[in-house]
Amino acid sequence: AQSVTQLDSQVPVFEEAPVELRCNYSSSVSVYLFWYVQYPNQGLQLLLKYLSGSTLVKGINGFEAEFNKSQTSFHLRKPSVHISDTAEYFCAVILSGGSYIPTFGRGTSLIVHP
Amino acid sequence: GAGVSQSPRYKVAKRGQDVALRCDPISGHVSLFWYQQALGQGPEFLTYFQNEAQLDKSGLPSDRFFAERPEGSVSTLKIQRTQQEDSAVYLCASSQRTSLEETQYFGPGTRLLVL
Repeated sequence: AQSVTQLDSQVPVFEEAPVELRCNYSSSVSVYLFWYVQYPNQGLQLLLKYLSGSTLVKGINGFEAEFNKSQTSFHLRKPSVHISDTAEYFCAVILSGGSYIPTFGRGTSLIVHP
Repeated sequence: GAGVSQSPRYKVAKRGQDVALRCDPISGHVSLFWYQQALGQGPEFLTYFQNEAQLDKSGLPSDRFFAERPEGSVSTLKIQRTQQEDSAVYLCASSQRTSLEETQYFGPGTRLLVL
């Protein structure tokens, strides 16, 4: 079975500072990786995904993530955050060759201070 | 166009009551997923439909949970004899097809509180 670990439950950061949200996974087979964002009282929205190819994936709102197979990580980064980036961020994994059911991490709350 | 909608947005139930949660997916979307999100946790898969067929219900926590999508569009998640541990946000998502290339679009969720 696969699992997803988001090491930080909360990440406070000042506006215009860079941020990294960490995600590690465990799986005995290849995986596909996703980051979602959830704004208050809204549903999840896909930020970016890694299916194959380049390990550096660019998503919406200036976010990017890098797949590191040797470290089983898929950390999310943004060079300069805005107040509007304050939200909950979820990492998710889908096993290759399996169903299309994602396993989500517990989430990281990004809090951007002015 | 309209996104995925869910109703009611909030539901308070007394323990033992039955509840029904509705999901209206994006028009034409074949795949529909239900998730349960407990407080402070990520979403957990409950069940999945392709059109009207329920292809996977392995995530339903007990036989008190039942989902249907009789005409391949609107779906209802029913919880019988609710318990306090059922308190959570129930999320619905739809996608055009069942494929990794297809994005799942999530509704805003129904927040269920069982007293």
